[in-house]
Amino acid sequence: SQQGEEDPQALSIQEGENATMNCSYKTSINNLQWYRQNSGRGLVHLILIRSNEREKHSGRLRVTLDTSKKSSSLLITASRAADTASYFCATDARISGGYNKLIFGAGTRLAVHP
Amino acid sequence: EPEVTQTPSHQVTQMGQEVILRCVPISNHLYFYWYRQILGQKVEFLVSFYNNEISEKSEIFDDQFSVERPDGSNFTLKIRSTKLEDSAMYFCASSAEGGAETQYFGPGTRLLVL
Repeated sequence: SQQGEEDPQALSIQEGENATMNCSYKTSINNLQWYRQNSGRGLVHLILIRSNEREKHSGRLRVTLDTSKKSSSLLITASRAADTASYFCATDARISGGYNKLIFGAGTRLAVHP
Repeated sequence: EPEVTQTPSHQVTQMGQEVILRCVPISNHLYFYWYRQILGQKVEFLVSFYNNEISEKSEIFDDQFSVERPDGSNFTLKIRSTKLEDSAMYFCASSAEGGAETQYFGPGTRLLVL
């Protein structure tokens, strides 16, 4: 698989349920970021977790990072219909000179039904 | 809250024409990026820019592409002679630092080449 691959590709749940999305990557990273994209719209930054962090919370979002397994998970608790979107993980790839570029996965399409 | 803006939101052009996509990054950010997303595919890195020069570019960013920061606020992507396969959503992003920092994305420009 390529850097930053999410699974599942699609997830359909009912409002109030929790949604868990996973991301795997191949190379060493400095950080991993999760983004949300509503259909045909821009990318909204959700959360960044650094390689020396194991878990991070932001509101109803919980992100974990396991660098030994090269994987991360995004948990959305108590989902709402408004959470319906595609969710992408993005890993940084350090470029010479200290700059970085993001490598995105294919994303998980989450549908939350009322 | 500061945000990255992009204009136009949509652009339709004929094959072979030049297009310029414009971005206004967050004002105190120093690192700038262009990404693109072909419909239904991953977000792909195109180019990063710092201190008025390109720091990294991908294989996609061939001689038909160029970037410029013509003044203190705008950051542009020019496609000199568009091809059908250039049809995509183009995202500008900026970050305060080039290292392991959050990249903030604009809403994108949807480019359609006919």
